[in-house]
Amino acid sequence: ETGVTQSPTHLIKTRGQQVTLRCSSQSGHNTVSWYQQALGQGPQFIFQYYREEENGRGNFPPRFSGLQFPNYSSELNVNALELDDSALYLCASMGAGQGDEQYFGPGTRLTVT
Amino acid sequence: RKEVEQDPGPFNVPEGATVAFNCTYSNSASQSFFWYRQDCRKEPKLLMSVYSSGNEDGRFTAQLNRASQYISLLIRDSKLSDSATYLCVVNTPTSGTYKYIFGTGTRLKVLA
Repeated sequence: ETGVTQSPTHLIKTRGQQVTLRCSSQSGHNTVSWYQQALGQGPQFIFQYYREEENGRGNFPPRFSGLQFPNYSSELNVNALELDDSALYLCASMGAGQGDEQYFGPGTRLTVT
Repeated sequence: RKEVEQDPGPFNVPEGATVAFNCTYSNSASQSFFWYRQDCRKEPKLLMSVYSSGNEDGRFTAQLNRASQYISLLIRDSKLSDSATYLCVVNTPTSGTYKYIFGTGTRLKVLA
């Protein structure tokens, strides 16, 4: 186990709704990244947080937003959900001074109907 | 051209076989490289980092060729439990920071 946890495990939402996904990083890890993985694809980078600041963003629209808290846990918020947002959302944590290896949580499977 | 490209497979091999996967990347400024393993409907798990000098971990050997911009993974003496999708990952500079770019993954099925 990586020590990275995510909640909820599964979620079903309706188009147009908003969703918040949560991630607790591995102890001592101050960097959290979020990824979206559609079926049959590799994970796509959404954004990264380092010490509570956004530290890099992928090609996702502004309705994808996030937060990181002082304990380094993180949230991913998605507004105005679209059918194409249905995917596995993964969070990964990385520690300072420990190379750049990332460790993934089990993911949240989001279905938008 | 995709930033990281992998043959999606599937590779169907018998137990005990040796199998090799390749991955190419487009950004020559990429800094670090990894292979992750992903089982069906599970999260990716780090298999190994890839170093310029090459590295080996038991039956697994990874190599990096910076001049040709490709990474390889060799699995010897395949086991049934090696059946999974293998993701090539490249840590690439973008907008003043680095981000992981994943390939689409190569599916491996080891047959009894």
